[in-house]
Amino acid sequence: DAGVIQSPRHEVTEMGQEVTLRCKPISGHDYLFWYRQTMMRGLELLIYFNNNVPIDDSGMPEDRFSAKMPNASFSTLKIQPSEPRDSAVYFCASTGSGSYNSPLHFGNGTRLTVT
Amino acid sequence: GNSVTQMEGPVTLSEEAFLTINCTYTATGYPSLFWYVQYPGEGLQLLLKATKADDKGSNKGFEATYRKETTSFHLEKGSVQVSDSAVYFCALRMNSGTYKYIFGTGTRLKVLA
Repeated sequence: DAGVIQSPRHEVTEMGQEVTLRCKPISGHDYLFWYRQTMMRGLELLIYFNNNVPIDDSGMPEDRFSAKMPNASFSTLKIQPSEPRDSAVYFCASTGSGSYNSPLHFGNGTRLTVT
Repeated sequence: GNSVTQMEGPVTLSEEAFLTINCTYTATGYPSLFWYVQYPGEGLQLLLKATKADDKGSNKGFEATYRKETTSFHLEKGSVQVSDSAVYFCALRMNSGTYKYIFGTGTRLKVLA
């Protein structure tokens, strides 16, 4: 299994630009999560989907952030316009609903730097 | 609400030393408990898990026992190696309702040769 695949691995952009982060979950997993990791705030859950439907987006910091999951094998996290405080590592993770003790499988993350 | 509290790091040990990283949780029901490890530049990986009271999860020499009476899930290893240097996260997931995972803040471990 290829695991959770995220792209790009690194993104450097200027303030005000649109940024799109991409994720391909593990095939067969019906839950997908987006997390943000910073030194100051640790690991924060932004949003999660079940069967492509957003279930809880209470962690999305503000309207500049949006996430979509058009099908079971693809999700995007978009920031528009980006700001320097958005600099962080963004992780996508997936799991199956077969059991509550099913672990999360994480991608290797996208390191975003907004200058 | 449900929460996870981990000991603050960094923890610095010499090779072959005994490791304990404390984790306690607060939950209104009966969670499954997990330890994840994050190596530099990578995502989190599952290290071990336990699903009910008195279960012991183990992997790669690491162990943790689900203690319901003390609401704890401390991570231990008898003899650490330099390659164990990483950040360790304790997490829980409730066994009903939401599928959200709740993570602790992470504990950085540095093992010196």
